[in-house]
Amino acid sequence: GQNIDQPTEMTATEGAIVQINCTYQTSGFNGLFWYQQHAGEAPTFLSYNVLDGLEEKGRFSSFLSRSKGYSYLLLKELQMKDSASYLCVFQTGANNLFFGTGTRLTVIP
Amino acid sequence: GAVVSQHPSWVICKSGTSVKIECRSLDFQATTMFWYRQFPKQSLMLMATSNEGSKATYEQGVEKDKFLINHASLTLSTLTVTSAHPEDSSFYICSAKGLAGDNEQFFGPGTRLTVL
Repeated sequence: GQNIDQPTEMTATEGAIVQINCTYQTSGFNGLFWYQQHAGEAPTFLSYNVLDGLEEKGRFSSFLSRSKGYSYLLLKELQMKDSASYLCVFQTGANNLFFGTGTRLTVIP
Repeated sequence: GAVVSQHPSWVICKSGTSVKIECRSLDFQATTMFWYRQFPKQSLMLMATSNEGSKATYEQGVEKDKFLINHASLTLSTLTVTSAHPEDSSFYICSAKGLAGDNEQFFGPGTRLTVL
């Protein structure tokens, strides 16, 4: 079957670094995405990993280990506006995205 | 980046009526569009995949006669919720995929449907 596990909630301090972990199980894998979703809004794309390793994009970095079915999203220099849900999503086959339930991150002053 | 719009952004309707939601890719041609539904505090669930000019492919458990999808052009897909009921109240989000081989999907802003 297909499954994604990520923490339900996390809290971190403004200016700090936070790592959101994700483990997944799927028979077919074609890449892993991280999306940010603010309440009541559609998801916005953050990162995409298809090969093992670290992808860095500004304050955001994402890591993938396909053999372990593991990914993490690293957010640096946290800002209040980073308070949102972070969705771990894998792609199976050519088109289908499978979404996790997301990690609700709260950034506190 | 590519922009996808949805209309309306929110709608309130009476039980038993039909509601049409439009999804448009504004600056690119979308060969494939996807319709998702998200209930409060739950993940997005794929409802159906539509390719321009062909019938939509529905996910298991999604009634194709209730959720009518039309992908009439490379920039427009519509989802019609027929005979809506309160349990259909949800956040409906479309996404679009452009060129073949491009894995990124671009999401619309979503439509919040409330059925009274």
